[in-house]
Amino acid sequence: AQTVTQSQPEMSVQEAETVTLSCTYDTSESNYYLFWYKQPPSRQMILVIRQEAYKQQNATENRFSVNFQKAAKSFSLKISDSQLGDTAMYFCAFMKLFQGAQKLVFGQGTRLTINP
Amino acid sequence: NAGVMQNPRHLVRRRGQEARLRCSPMKGHSHVYWYRQLPEEGLKFMVYLQKENIIDESGMPKERFSAEFPKEGPSILRIQQVVRGDSAAYFCASSPTGTGNQPQHFGDGTRLSIL
Repeated sequence: AQTVTQSQPEMSVQEAETVTLSCTYDTSESNYYLFWYKQPPSRQMILVIRQEAYKQQNATENRFSVNFQKAAKSFSLKISDSQLGDTAMYFCAFMKLFQGAQKLVFGQGTRLTINP
Repeated sequence: NAGVMQNPRHLVRRRGQEARLRCSPMKGHSHVYWYRQLPEEGLKFMVYLQKENIIDESGMPKERFSAEFPKEGPSILRIQQVVRGDSAAYFCASSPTGTGNQPQHFGDGTRLSIL
């Protein structure tokens, strides 16, 4: 079974700083997807970024980028120029590639606070 | 284009009652997933359904919990004889296909409180 581990329960940075959230996972699959979801105080689950394991290039979405290290099974999220609206719980998630196996496996989450 | 709609947003039940949670997927999405989030924890997969079929229920408790996604109407997650430990946020997600290249879109969740 796949497992996802987020070793940082809480993090706090000043506005405009860069912050990196860690995520490691365990799987015997060679092809899969990895995701970062954001859950603000409103409790919505918002997709931040997605990475296909068969792509070597790290995904980027505006201020959000990932450092995907397949051999190390590591998938960290970097937030540049952090904003107050980035305050939220961040969840790393894993999904198998194959049809019919589309359930997401989530980590425990990291609570990120951006201070003014 | 409406997103995934869940209702009610908040549901309060007494121990022993039944809870029914509803989820209408995004337009054009025929795959629905239910997840449960206990306080201060990540989401845990419960069940994956397509229209009229349960594809994967490996995360569903063996007793008291059931799910359906009929040909017409929303998907329903039903919890019979609720207990305090059922208090959680229940999220529904949908996707257009059963392949992983289409990300799941989440509803706002139903917060279930058991008195």
